[in-house]
Amino acid sequence: NAGVTQTPKFQVLKTGQSMTLQCAQDMNHNSMYWYRQDPGMGLRLIYYSASEGTTDKGEVPNGYNVSRLNKREFSLRLESAAPSQTSVYFCASSIWGTGYNEQFFGPGTRLTVL
Amino acid sequence: TQLLEQSPQFLSIQEGENLTVYCNSSSVFSSLQWYRQEPGEGPVLLVTVVTGGEVKKLKRLTFQFGDARKDSSLHITAAQPGDTGLYLCAGAPGAGSYQLTFGKGTKLSVIP
Repeated sequence: NAGVTQTPKFQVLKTGQSMTLQCAQDMNHNSMYWYRQDPGMGLRLIYYSASEGTTDKGEVPNGYNVSRLNKREFSLRLESAAPSQTSVYFCASSIWGTGYNEQFFGPGTRLTVL
Repeated sequence: TQLLEQSPQFLSIQEGENLTVYCNSSSVFSSLQWYRQEPGEGPVLLVTVVTGGEVKKLKRLTFQFGDARKDSSLHITAAQPGDTGLYLCAGAPGAGSYQLTFGKGTKLSVIP
């Protein structure tokens, strides 16, 4: 099992460009999440998908859109990248419903917006 | 808004020393998780504590959940360089919530 995979691992964009970050999990989890991690700010939730067919905003959703393509895949799109979106992005998945919401993370995408 | 405060923010110790890091909140959590994140990688779940007063051990790591389920501690005995990393605590508010509240982490460096 690969767990949670993310592509790409690194990306450099110019201000105004768009891109999609891909995430897939092979653990048959029902819930998936996108976080960003910035120095001194910790992990902040951007969007989550409780189950296939649903998505909801997290703490910092502005400037992002998501798509839950199927149970395995959850993508994050930046329509018009800004330097403030320079960050490390993590995708995570969990089996929601146990009460603990233990999350499994991917290796991250390091994004720089110039 | 539920917040989790972690302390210390940074910790640099010699191999073989003991250490404790803390995770505190004014809010009650139904469970609390500890993750370790190594440079360039995603966080990895170490343990989940769910009962007030619960103590769990993972080799040289001891995790405790406060009696009131508002705080937790992680104690490492005889730290090794392989323990180096960012330690994150995360609280689950309760049934029906999909979101975890993460602390900002304690960055631990164990010097050989």
